[in-house]
Amino acid sequence: DAKTTQPTSMDCAEGRAANLPCNHSTISGNEYVYWYRQIHSQGPQYIIHGLKNNETNEMASLIITEDRKSSTLILPHATLRDTAVYYCIVRSLNDYKLSFGAGTTVTVRA
Amino acid sequence: NAGVTQTPKFRVLKTGQSMTLLCAQDMNHEYMYWYRQDPGMGLRLIHYSVGEGTTAKGEVPDGYNVSRLKKQNFLLGLESAAPSQTSVYFCASSPPGTLILAKNIQYFGAGTRLSVL
Repeated sequence: DAKTTQPTSMDCAEGRAANLPCNHSTISGNEYVYWYRQIHSQGPQYIIHGLKNNETNEMASLIITEDRKSSTLILPHATLRDTAVYYCIVRSLNDYKLSFGAGTTVTVRA
Repeated sequence: NAGVTQTPKFRVLKTGQSMTLLCAQDMNHEYMYWYRQDPGMGLRLIHYSVGEGTTAKGEVPDGYNVSRLKKQNFLLGLESAAPSQTSVYFCASSPPGTLILAKNIQYFGAGTRLSVL
């Protein structure tokens, strides 16, 4: 029973913002939303996480809707090196593991 | 600061052979994890450790053993390799601190690609 739903793939033009949606309609009040990405043949890389407020760091911004049933990861200026599989993960307070689904394959095109 | 280092990077085994995968982290992290990733799938947790001398089972522990004799190292052993264990294995670690585990960001190594023939 997947906790998140993401589009299978999306394309983005280099230099433009990439907006990656994620649905998590069954999220509970104490569960966090995490985003990781995996560039081909590399280990997963942490991007950002949040509970209910919007978050921003040097890599991306995370926008969580007020009802917390969905979120959007924003890569402000996509580069070719951002081509990767992006995973949206809902994580419970006491959950040791990260549960990776299929993710969204993002291809940034020149 | 190397982060999380996995050795070896590649390995081919014959069915029934044994081997140990080594994970080392230099970030003084308390928690360490072993995941496997099969083609087209997400990562699944094999075993994890919340501190030196402790280990616990994850989602898919069968056929694997682990040890955490030193804080910085987490070993994954395959006693009798099977073709079903062909996979990419990732180690991760997360820092000490908060009681809220969901706040503990996991940092991953580059992976070990294992083929069992």
